[in-house]
Amino acid sequence: EVELVEFGGGLAQPGRSLRLSCAASGFTFDDYGMHWVRQVPGKGLEWVSSISWNSGSIDYADSVKGRFTISRDNAKNSLYLQMNSLRAEDTAFYYCARDINGAAAAYYFDYWGRGTLVTVSS
Amino acid sequence: DIQMTQSPSSLSASVGDRVTITCRASQSISTYLNWYQQKLGNGPKLLIYGASSLQSGVPSRFSGSGSGADFTLTISSLQPEDFATYYCQQSYRTPVTFGQGTKVEIK
Repeated sequence: EVELVEFGGGLAQPGRSLRLSCAASGFTFDDYGMHWVRQVPGKGLEWVSSISWNSGSIDYADSVKGRFTISRDNAKNSLYLQMNSLRAEDTAFYYCARDINGAAAAYYFDYWGRGTLVTVSS
Repeated sequence: DIQMTQSPSSLSASVGDRVTITCRASQSISTYLNWYQQKLGNGPKLLIYGASSLQSGVPSRFSGSGSGADFTLTISSLQPEDFATYYCQQSYRTPVTFGQGTKVEIK
């Protein structure tokens, strides 16, 4: 069974950093592109970042470009999101999601984790 | 960025009702339109991709239609487990974007 579990969320002050992790199981991790999607509590969904199976293609939303870095470790079946220079507007649940495609990202998501909450506040 | 607009934002319906949710894109997106269901405390679940293809394991009472800029998600006979929030998403162009959601509540 495919499972994605996010962790690393919590409270951070504006300008500080957090690193999110996503542990994947139940599938061949390095066969799939992966994404981070966030959701302000009670609000809609916003795609944040994507990474291809071999880390050769990486993309970011303009709202996080230059501040967030996505990475993956296929040997550890893990996805990461390094979040620097955090702002109040980064407060959200962050979901790890699997791209439906392997070779080339389709940018839609067939499995999601339950999310981890990041709160940015002084 | 491509804007996605769903209507209605919420609706009340009874078990057994036929429910229709619409999604409009700010430009043509061919059939690069996907639908998700989200229940409280969980990540979204993919229901429909490519505007009309049913994701594996999703009940056949869910269906999608449309192309270009106008799309529809239909639940043919609402079941108790279908009360949730539904989102459309375009995957035509990055950044991919989502509709604001439609909350389906019990009447």
